[in-house]
Amino acid sequence: DAGVIQSPRHEVTEMGQEVTLRCKPISGHNSLFWYRQTMMRGLELLIYFNNNVPIDDSGMPEDRFSAKMPNASFSTLKIQPSEPRDSAVYFCASSLEGGGNIQYFGAGTRLSVL
Amino acid sequence: GDSVTQMEGPVTLSEEAFLTINCTYTATGYPSLFWYVQYPGEGLQLLLKATKADDKGSNKGFEATYRKETTSFHLEKGSVQVSDSAVYFCALTDPWGATNKLIFGTGTLLAVQP
Repeated sequence: DAGVIQSPRHEVTEMGQEVTLRCKPISGHNSLFWYRQTMMRGLELLIYFNNNVPIDDSGMPEDRFSAKMPNASFSTLKIQPSEPRDSAVYFCASSLEGGGNIQYFGAGTRLSVL
Repeated sequence: GDSVTQMEGPVTLSEEAFLTINCTYTATGYPSLFWYVQYPGEGLQLLLKATKADDKGSNKGFEATYRKETTSFHLEKGSVQVSDSAVYFCALTDPWGATNKLIFGTGTLLAVQP
């Protein structure tokens, strides 16, 4: 299996622009997680889906952030408008319910908002 | 609420030294416990896990024992290598199994010098 695939690996944008991060989970996994990692705040869970349905979005920082999972093989995290404080590495992870809660992480998207 | 506390880093060791990274947890139920490792520029990956009290997880020379009486899951390795330099995260599952989220600690940076 190719593992969790995230794109792009790096994104540089200007403040105010829309940013869309993409994630393809491992085939057959039914839970998907979006995390943000910064030096100041560490690893934060933003939102997670179970069977394509958002279960807990309490970590989404504000209305500028939105996430969708239109089908079992694709999810997006959108930031509109972006701000410099959104600069971070964003990780997607997937797991199989009943699979011992092991989460498999993608390589991450490094976002820089200028 | 449920939480994980890790020792502050960075931990700097010479090659072949003994490693301990402390992890304690607070949980009302019966969580599974994990150590994840993040190598530079990569996503997190599972290092080892333990699902019940007194279980020992092991992988790549690393070990950790689930100690319910001390609510601890300390990571140890007898002889570290330069290639072990990474950030190590302790994590636990939802203690009651209601969700498949993981609660992560803040991470401990390990730097091994030749």
